[in-house]
Amino acid sequence: VQLVESGGGLVQSGRSLRLSCAASGFNFDDYAMYWVRQVPGEGLELVASISWNSDNARYADSVKGRFTISRDNAKKSLYLQMNSLRIEDSALYFCVKDTGFSGTTGAYFDYWGQGTQVTVSA
Amino acid sequence: DTVMTQSPATLSVSPGERATLSCGASQSVSNNLAWYQQKPGQAPRLLIHESSTRASGIPARFSGSGSGTEFTLTISSLQPEDFAVYYCHQYNNWPRTFGQGTKVEIK
Repeated sequence: VQLVESGGGLVQSGRSLRLSCAASGFNFDDYAMYWVRQVPGEGLELVASISWNSDNARYADSVKGRFTISRDNAKKSLYLQMNSLRIEDSALYFCVKDTGFSGTTGAYFDYWGQGTQVTVSA
Repeated sequence: DTVMTQSPATLSVSPGERATLSCGASQSVSNNLAWYQQKPGQAPRLLIHESSTRASGIPARFSGSGSGTEFTLTISSLQPEDFAVYYCHQYNNWPRTFGQGTKVEIK
């Protein structure tokens, strides 16, 4: 299993950024996928989840209405469109594979990418 | 949200000694609790799921226990490669949440 994130960078507050994650080594369209972020030296925060068929997408309250998670099963890719970025969105963003398909509860994360850094400046 | 509280924040242990890490949940998470290990510059690695089931390839010196609101990760004999930060994670309630981590450092 390999998950490779890209698209991070330095952006001004209020602007947009789109993260991508290329997946390989497993049947991508069988599993829910997540974005989880981590501020250096701090904990982990779930950002968004998407079910195997894109029918169910969920978001943390802190990003609801600003971020959109999507996937392209044909391309084995996961995306996170981040709009109206805030300084507090600065973090390392991980693409994470779930063991379930629905993107809700009852299943756990088994594989993580190395992350892509997002830095939002004033 | 379900708040996960880990203790201690830092644990200083000598190689070969036993380490016991605790994780508490603000409400029941049944046995839907996982433990991850993270080393500097690396992604988290799954150690334990369903409170006590070791993930594939994880050495037997790692063991987990607990249910409901109280959980424990035990490393029976610390090896040099075990010094890292450990996170507990509940996947029973939405949103899924993580503890703040316990850093296991060399004494």
